[in-house]
Amino acid sequence: AQSVAQPEDQVNVAEGNPLTVKCTYSVSGNPYLFWYVQYPNRGLQFLLKYITGDNLVKGSYGFEAEFNKSQTSFHLKKPSALVSDSALYFCAVRGNNNDMRFGAGTRLTVKP
Amino acid sequence: GAGVSQSPRYKVAKRGQDVALRCDPISGHVSLFWYQQALGQGPEFLTYFQNEAQLDKSGLPSDRFFAERPEGSVSTLKIQRTQQEDSAVYLCASSPSTGVTGNTIYFGEGSWLTVV
Repeated sequence: AQSVAQPEDQVNVAEGNPLTVKCTYSVSGNPYLFWYVQYPNRGLQFLLKYITGDNLVKGSYGFEAEFNKSQTSFHLKKPSALVSDSALYFCAVRGNNNDMRFGAGTRLTVKP
Repeated sequence: GAGVSQSPRYKVAKRGQDVALRCDPISGHVSLFWYQQALGQGPEFLTYFQNEAQLDKSGLPSDRFFAERPEGSVSTLKIQRTQQEDSAVYLCASSPSTGVTGNTIYFGEGSWLTVV
């Protein structure tokens, strides 16, 4: 079965600095990789996904992620963090079935 | 509707009580998913519907959990004889089509269940 790992429970960055939230995956076959963001007391909002093609995927709110097959990684990045980016971020993977598996989440805090 | 709608948003149940959580998916979405999210954790898959057919229920934690989608649109997740460990957020999600697992799934705001 597919799985993802988010090695960092918490990431702290200063506003204006670049941010990276890490994700590694394990799946049989082609990976379909997703990032979601969750604000307090809200559901998950879709940010971006990798299906095929260009390894650099651009998504909502200036976020992007890079698919690296050799390292089985799909790290989320943003060149310049905003305080409003502070939230819980989830990486997810979907293999050749309908079960989307989520990581445990990384709490991003951007300080002014 | 514009998004996935879930009700009730908040539910407090006494231990042993039955609860029913409702999900209205995005109009026309074929696929519907239920997830359970415990505090501080990522969502855990419960079950999946394609139209009215429940194709995967491998994530349901016990036979006290039951889900249905009789007409292929609205879905209900029922929990019988609730226990304290059932306290969690129950997330419903929908996706426009089947067969392409690269489809994005869109989540509702969740139903927050607290069992006391």
